[in-house]
Amino acid sequence: DAKTTQPNSMESNEEEPVHLPCNHSTISGTDYIHWYRQLPSQGPEYVIHGLTSNVNNRMASLAIAEDRKSSTLILHRATLRDAAVYYCILRDGYGGSQGNLIFGKGTKLSVKP
Amino acid sequence: GAGVSQSPSNKVTEKGKDVELRCDPISGHTALYWYRQSLGQGLEFLIYFQGNSAPDKSGLPSDRFSAERTGGSVSTLTIQRTQQEDSAVYLCASSLLAGDYYEQYFGPGTRLTVT
Repeated sequence: DAKTTQPNSMESNEEEPVHLPCNHSTISGTDYIHWYRQLPSQGPEYVIHGLTSNVNNRMASLAIAEDRKSSTLILHRATLRDAAVYYCILRDGYGGSQGNLIFGKGTKLSVKP
Repeated sequence: GAGVSQSPSNKVTEKGKDVELRCDPISGHTALYWYRQSLGQGLEFLIYFQGNSAPDKSGLPSDRFSAERTGGSVSTLTIQRTQQEDSAVYLCASSLLAGDYYEQYFGPGTRLTVT
């Protein structure tokens, strides 16, 4: 499976935007970029996913580079509740894979009041 | 609706004992996944069920680990003769169907401590 590279940790101030980067230079044409996050003492939860175009939902925005070798998860106004480990995961949208998620180490986001 | 539930939330057991961990997936979800998260390690895939098909056991770390899924719904992960290295949080996830297209919904996990 294609791999992703993320910074180990990032800090943000409350109510400021946060840009979480992810590099995936070996991404294939059918790979979707998914983001999950894991709040302390909870299971991971889905955040957003995209293929080529930028995507927005109620939780976040996903900006995808034109060459698709990198992407950025954007939290528009960080809250204390957004402190979590964020995982960037590539998933083959057209394959016959069983679909288990392959997690890297993710980025631990700390939010300061 | 109800999310994925797991029980117990915490389990402390003595080395050498067997343990059973339970997962109730979201109703109607046909795919079910077990993962493990150890201190200092990331989340690793253990086993996967799709409907009533035979499970993919490729991620199980040893033959002391087994899992079953009854009636295409509830799943039980069994660890026999537990060892200290089995201490971890065991997470269950379900999705509507199997495959990379579908979002996975995770339960809160079972924290297993082997003393």
